[in-house]
Amino acid sequence: NAGVTQTPKFRILKIGQSMTLQCAQDMNHNYMYWYRQDPGMGLKLIYYSVGAGITDKGEVPNGYNVSRSTTEDFPLRLELAAPSQTSVYFCASTPRGGGGRETQYFGPGTRLLVL
Amino acid sequence: GNSVTQMEGPVTLSEEAFLTINCTYTATGYPSLFWYVQYPGEGLQLLLKATKADDKGSNKGFEATYRKETTSFHLEKGSVQVSDSAVYFCALRNNAGNMLTFGGGTRLMVKP
Repeated sequence: NAGVTQTPKFRILKIGQSMTLQCAQDMNHNYMYWYRQDPGMGLKLIYYSVGAGITDKGEVPNGYNVSRSTTEDFPLRLELAAPSQTSVYFCASTPRGGGGRETQYFGPGTRLLVL
Repeated sequence: GNSVTQMEGPVTLSEEAFLTINCTYTATGYPSLFWYVQYPGEGLQLLLKATKADDKGSNKGFEATYRKETTSFHLEKGSVQVSDSAVYFCALRNNAGNMLTFGGGTRLMVKP
């Protein structure tokens, strides 16, 4: 059981380049999330999805796009990379989103450096 | 809106010392409260949680009690080990919502 997987582990981008951060889970979880973690800070929610075909904005969605075509995959797209997007990105999932008691399972993170 | 405030780190302790990391929160309703731990180079892992007032979450020698009257969820451990060195995040989630709100994290360094 792989849990939540993320690729790549590390990437350097030039300003204006685009890339997709991949996230997959094999636990049949309905809810998936993307966070960013800036140095010395807590995690901030970028986007989340409550199921295939449904996505919604989190706290800091500007500069990002997501899609959820399958239950397993939740890729995060950066169209025009900016230095402010230098961060560590974490994907997470939960079986269900309601009730507030669900544990979020996190992937290992993708470190992104935009120069 | 929801918010979580943690004590700033780093917290540096000697092995076998007593640990307290303070966490207070602001939220509407009755949130669930969590402590996550992030070991160097890894993602976050759930350490413990409490879902209602006066609940005590515990795991690996760590404990935290949900105190509604003081809106707090302080993390404690009686005797820390070098292997406990990590960043600890307090978080809350409203029962009606889908999102976790995280504190800024507290780095713990335990020296032999």
